[in-house]
Amino acid sequence: KAGVTQTPRYLIKTRGQQVTLSCSPISGHRSVSWYQQTPGQGLQFLFEYFSETQRNKGNFPGRFSGRQFSNSRSEMNVSTLELGDSALYLCASSLRGGVTDTQYFGPGTRLTVL
Amino acid sequence: KQEVTQIPAALSVPEGENLVLNCSFTDSAIYNLQWFRQDPGKGLTSLLLIQSSQREQTSGRLNASLDKSSGRSTLYIAASQPGDSATYLCAVRQADSWGKLQFGAGTQVVVTP
Repeated sequence: KAGVTQTPRYLIKTRGQQVTLSCSPISGHRSVSWYQQTPGQGLQFLFEYFSETQRNKGNFPGRFSGRQFSNSRSEMNVSTLELGDSALYLCASSLRGGVTDTQYFGPGTRLTVL
Repeated sequence: KQEVTQIPAALSVPEGENLVLNCSFTDSAIYNLQWFRQDPGKGLTSLLLIQSSQREQTSGRLNASLDKSSGRSTLYIAASQPGDSATYLCAVRQADSWGKLQFGAGTQVVVTP
């Protein structure tokens, strides 16, 4: 069974631009979560989607948004990029996102904002 | 507010020695705790998931224990190998936390040949 895939793997953008990252979950998984990882803040939860609905959201500004499609693939968008948005963005999938589900992570997208 | 702490931040051991990694959390109302491994610049690999009703989980050379009442979990790696060099993270799940894991900062492990 194929794992979680994320595209692109690397991105370089400049301040003020916007970016879209994509995540394809493991086949049959309907929950997708997104995380931001930085050296200073560690891994922080962005949001979670299930059946095209956002069920949970972390403490990030409105510049960070996401969506999920009917095939469970998910995208996250960051608008008006800031230097501090440089990070590794990880997505994780699970069957239903429930508390007993194991989350499986993708390889991440490394975003650099210049 | 839940706080997850991992001490030490870094650890270096000679090959063959057993590894002991610690994770503590402030709110014992968790559903489960998960241990992950992360290689530099890569995603996370799930190692073990312990449900709140369990005290221990084992997989090969890995053994994880959970003491909810004291807010602690320990990951033991027996007979360490250079390939075990990585950052190890623990994460907890709480009620009403769809898809949300709360992570510790991780312990960076180096196993020297």
